[in-house]
Amino acid sequence: EAQVTQNPRYLITVTGKKLTVTCSQNMNHEYMSWYRQDPGLGLRQIYYSMNVEVTDKGDVPEGYKVSRKEKRNFPLILESPSPNQTSLYFCASSPIPQGALIGYTFGSGTRLTVV
Amino acid sequence: AQSVTQPDIHITVSEGASLELRCNYSYGATPYLFWYVQSPGQGLQLLLKYFSGDTLVQGIKGFEAEFKRSQSSFNLRKPSVHWSDAAEYFCAVGGNNDMRFGAGTRLTVKP
Repeated sequence: EAQVTQNPRYLITVTGKKLTVTCSQNMNHEYMSWYRQDPGLGLRQIYYSMNVEVTDKGDVPEGYKVSRKEKRNFPLILESPSPNQTSLYFCASSPIPQGALIGYTFGSGTRLTVV
Repeated sequence: AQSVTQPDIHITVSEGASLELRCNYSYGATPYLFWYVQSPGQGLQLLLKYFSGDTLVQGIKGFEAEFKRSQSSFNLRKPSVHWSDAAEYFCAVGGNNDMRFGAGTRLTVKP
């Protein structure tokens, strides 16, 4: 089944403890992106990648890192999480580098709580 | 930069009634417009999209949307709502590098 898989689905962690949220797609998509969803704010883009080894900042990149060493994986790294990073995170992918022009396939989300 | 406004945070309709969710966008060029639906605990699913051509686009689950350039709007409609349509709906506009989402409209369906 064609899909975007995120892990974990739920995570509670403490301030300052490094964590990684994984994202993998099996559709050979070029474009991948991370969004966070907060009540009343909709989805805001954190980082995106138009191809392997090509990543760029979105609207809210502070406190996050990403890497795209292979096409299928796009992990989101929080080096030192803080409570304001408590949110619902979504990974998305699209077939072409300009993925935002044709639409995304989304993962099921990761609900992160930082205490 | 592109932006999207969904004026209604929450809408309640009775099952079987018609539905219209509003979306206004701001974009300098021809917009690439999308509607997504998010059921509780799920990711976002694409309902429909508009790039060019016929301004009335049909989507999945019986939804349609109409692009009106003069009003900068892309409203989502459904003639008869089902209880399973209760969800959050997001309008989005796509650019070269990213997709901008509205804040969402939560739909409640009354029996």
